[in-house]
Amino acid sequence: QQQVKQSPQSLIVQKGGISIINCAYENTAFDYFPWYQQFPGKGPALLIAIRPDVSEKKEGRFTISFNKSAKQFSLHIMDSQPGDSATYFCAATTSGTYKYIFGTGTRLKVLA
Amino acid sequence: ETGVTQSPTHLIKTRGQQVTLRCSSQSGHNTVSWYQQALGQGPQFIFQYYREEENGRGNFPPRFSGLQFPNYSSELNVNALELDDSALYLCASSARSGGDEQYFGPGTRLTVT
Repeated sequence: QQQVKQSPQSLIVQKGGISIINCAYENTAFDYFPWYQQFPGKGPALLIAIRPDVSEKKEGRFTISFNKSAKQFSLHIMDSQPGDSATYFCAATTSGTYKYIFGTGTRLKVLA
Repeated sequence: ETGVTQSPTHLIKTRGQQVTLRCSSQSGHNTVSWYQQALGQGPQFIFQYYREEENGRGNFPPRFSGLQFPNYSSELNVNALELDDSALYLCASSARSGGDEQYFGPGTRLTVT
C-alpha cells in the first residue's frame, strides 16, 4: 500500500515533443505529490508538486495532471528540450510527515 | 540563502567498517530526512530528524543511526558496512512551518568493497 508505481522506465522523445510520465499510488492518505528531476551525479531537484484538491497544475513547460478517483498522476513536459534529458521521479507523502515514497524513476532522453 | 550541503562527496569503505556522513540543512529548515538511492532506483526513506530526535524510520536496520544538532545539521552513521550499502545517500531538509516541500542535497556516493 506504500508503493508508488511509475512508468515508463525509459522514454525517448524528439526535440519539441511532449514527454509524459505516469505514476499510480494506493495509499489514500497521500495528499502531496511532487515531481523531481535528477541529473547524473546530482541530488533530485524539485520541479513541481500538486495536491488532490486540483486536477491540474502548470508551471512553465511542466504540467501535472491528477486523477484522484483513479489514484493516478502524470507529468507532462511540453516542447521537450535536450536539456530536459534526465531521470524523473514522482513521489507521494502525507502532509506534515515529510516522508516521501518515491517511484522507481523514468530516464528521459530528448533527441536534438 | 544556502542550499543543502553534504560531505564527503565520495567515500570508499571496506565491508565491516563504519561510516559517518554529514548534512547541513537549508537555512531556516529544521527537519532533516535521509534517503538511500541504489543505482537505477528511486530514493528510499531511511529516517528523519526533527528537534534533535528521530521522527520516523523506514525499513532499515538499527545499524543505520543518526543525529541532529542544535543548528539542525545532521549525521548518518552506518555500522558493520555491507556490500549492499553501496549507494548514493541523500539528505533532504524541510521547514515544518512551511509547506510540504523537501529540498535535497547533492548526496554522498558510498562504495563498499
